[in-house]
Amino acid sequence: NAGVTQTPKFQVLKTGQSMTLQCAQDMNHNSMYWYRQDPGMGLRLIYYSASEGTTDKGEVPNGYNVSRLNKREFSLRLESAAPSQTSVYFCASSEHRNSYNEQFFGPGTRLTVL
Amino acid sequence: AQSVAQPEDQVNVAEGNPLTVKCTYSVSGNPYLFWYVQYPNRGLQFLLKYITGDNLVKGSYGFEAEFNKSQTSFHLKKPSALVSDSALYFCAVRDGAGGGADGLTFGKGTHLIIQP
Repeated sequence: NAGVTQTPKFQVLKTGQSMTLQCAQDMNHNSMYWYRQDPGMGLRLIYYSASEGTTDKGEVPNGYNVSRLNKREFSLRLESAAPSQTSVYFCASSEHRNSYNEQFFGPGTRLTVL
Repeated sequence: AQSVAQPEDQVNVAEGNPLTVKCTYSVSGNPYLFWYVQYPNRGLQFLLKYITGDNLVKGSYGFEAEFNKSQTSFHLKKPSALVSDSALYFCAVRDGAGGGADGLTFGKGTHLIIQP
């Protein structure tokens, strides 16, 4: 099993450009998440999908949209990138939305917005 | 609201010595607590979790953590540190009472440096 995979691994955008970060998991998990990691700030939740067909905002959703394409795939879209969105983005999944389920993380996408 | 504090940005330990990485939390209901490790340019790897039961939880790579309800702490420990333990460690919490977003709330992370 590959676990959680993310594409691309690196991306450089100019301010105002758009892009979509892709995430897929092969563990048959129901819940999926997008986080961003910034130095000295830990990980912050952008959006999550508790189950196929549902999405909800997390702590820092502004400037992002998501799509739960099917049970395996959960994409994150930046419609008009800003320098403040320079960060490392992690996708994660868990078996269920239950509080006690650990989350499994992908390798991350390092995004730079100029 | 739930929150996590990792009071040390960096912890330095000599190889072979015991190590402790500190974490305190705040939740409304019962806490579900997690430790993750991140190696350079990698994603987070799950180490261990506390849900209920025994206050001492054992996890991967010889790590363990002690849940202390009165001190609202969940410190990560290892009896004998290895150079390969050097990494960034995150404590995370989820309120067992539910409500709010389903994601975990993470601390800011602690750099653990094991010196040969």
